[in-house]
Amino acid sequence: KNEVEQSPQNLTAQEGEFITINCSYSVGISALHWLQQHPGGGIVSLFMLSSGKKKHGRLIATINIQEKHSSLHITASHPRDSAVYICAGEGTASKLTFGTGTRLQVTL
Amino acid sequence: DTGVSQDPRHKITKRGQNVTFRCDPISEHNRLYWYRQTLGQGPEFLTYFQNEAQLEKSRLLSDRFSAERPKGSFSTLEIQRTEQGDSAMYLCASSSRNRDDTQYFGPGTRLTVL
Repeated sequence: KNEVEQSPQNLTAQEGEFITINCSYSVGISALHWLQQHPGGGIVSLFMLSSGKKKHGRLIATINIQEKHSSLHITASHPRDSAVYICAGEGTASKLTFGTGTRLQVTL
Repeated sequence: DTGVSQDPRHKITKRGQNVTFRCDPISEHNRLYWYRQTLGQGPEFLTYFQNEAQLEKSRLLSDRFSAERPKGSFSTLEIQRTEQGDSAMYLCASSSRNRDDTQYFGPGTRLTVL
């Protein structure tokens, strides 16, 4: 069992749909990261959370420390949101343990 | 462009050859990380530097792998006697403990071992 697990692995949505990606972790972490990876490999950090909720544009990330669970929501999804979304737990020395990613495809 | 650069972007080599990759972090960042990502998987931690000191190495980093950050700026990752199982994307990230500690990732070096 991976220390950080995501679901679903693959997700297809139509433009405009509300999207939720889930992340559960089984290890102690100081923060939970959400990252976006586009084809070709480039990774961009979206959020770093240690509690509560953060919002940036159409993206919302929440974390429940007691349940060791985080969610990434995308409102009014758009084809340009198509990417792989990865959650990662931050441990000692800010070392990240990554989930396997959720591949999102948003169609017109 | 995150400000972290990696060179080369692609490397094809024959089994048994040595390869070296370079990472140039954002200049004021004191932390530098190397990760490896195989197809369909999330990245895996390899090693971490704070300034020039290598503070942690993963068990994934066999004795064929060595990393350096001699002046606390750029870093190199060398793989000796490459094996087909070393084929992966090698990612570098940097962060500053004095700021928000967000890791900024380079574009990666894709290694193919034939």
